[in-house]
Amino acid sequence: EADIYQTPRYLVIGTGKKITLECSQTMGHDKMYWYQQDPGMELHLIHYSYGVNSTEKGDLSSESTVSRIRTEHFPLTLESARPSHTSQYLCASSEKGLYYEQYFGPGTRLTVT
Amino acid sequence: SQQGEEDPQALSIQEGENATMNCSYKTSINNLQWYRQNSGRGLVHLILIRSNEREKHSGRLRVTLDTSKKSSSLLITASRAADTASYFCATVPTDSWGKLQFGAGTQVVVTP
Repeated sequence: EADIYQTPRYLVIGTGKKITLECSQTMGHDKMYWYQQDPGMELHLIHYSYGVNSTEKGDLSSESTVSRIRTEHFPLTLESARPSHTSQYLCASSEKGLYYEQYFGPGTRLTVT
Repeated sequence: SQQGEEDPQALSIQEGENATMNCSYKTSINNLQWYRQNSGRGLVHLILIRSNEREKHSGRLRVTLDTSKKSSSLLITASRAADTASYFCATVPTDSWGKLQFGAGTQVVVTP
């Protein structure tokens, strides 16, 4: 069982609200990632971090922002939620290097009404 | 565009049968990984195969990699109902600094 946690698991929120999706890992991993996944579809990388104070945008453009102030914590924020943000958001972490697997959290299913 | 494409998109088999799914990709890679996702959950890593490896086994799983054809296959032998899930291949392209690129996945249903 991977020690990576996401809260909330489900969130239904109205348009225009600010939301923060939490992600924490206890494995001391330097690398952390956020993916967006629509039902039955592939995962798209939206943000990643290689360590504290390091954040980069991923391959899929996203209106969300992230921060990495502590190694174990990688929150994702949407300043103003829209229905187009409805999706599943998956957080993952891994050790440094090219030959390590990623450990995934259970995901947050976001619905914006 | 996605790096990996998987075939078939969906597969339905009975318990005890073998399940084979294939993944093709476009660029040179450092390694290729397979993950499983149960409905509504996060992904679980199954196996990693490096670009200089041709075959790897883990329990009932067998993965092959053909870098000349830019393709990989995942074989699940003697499938069980608990194997019902979506299976994703993910590549680590050589210029990606270790970032994974996922395919669309194969949905596998194993009926008792």
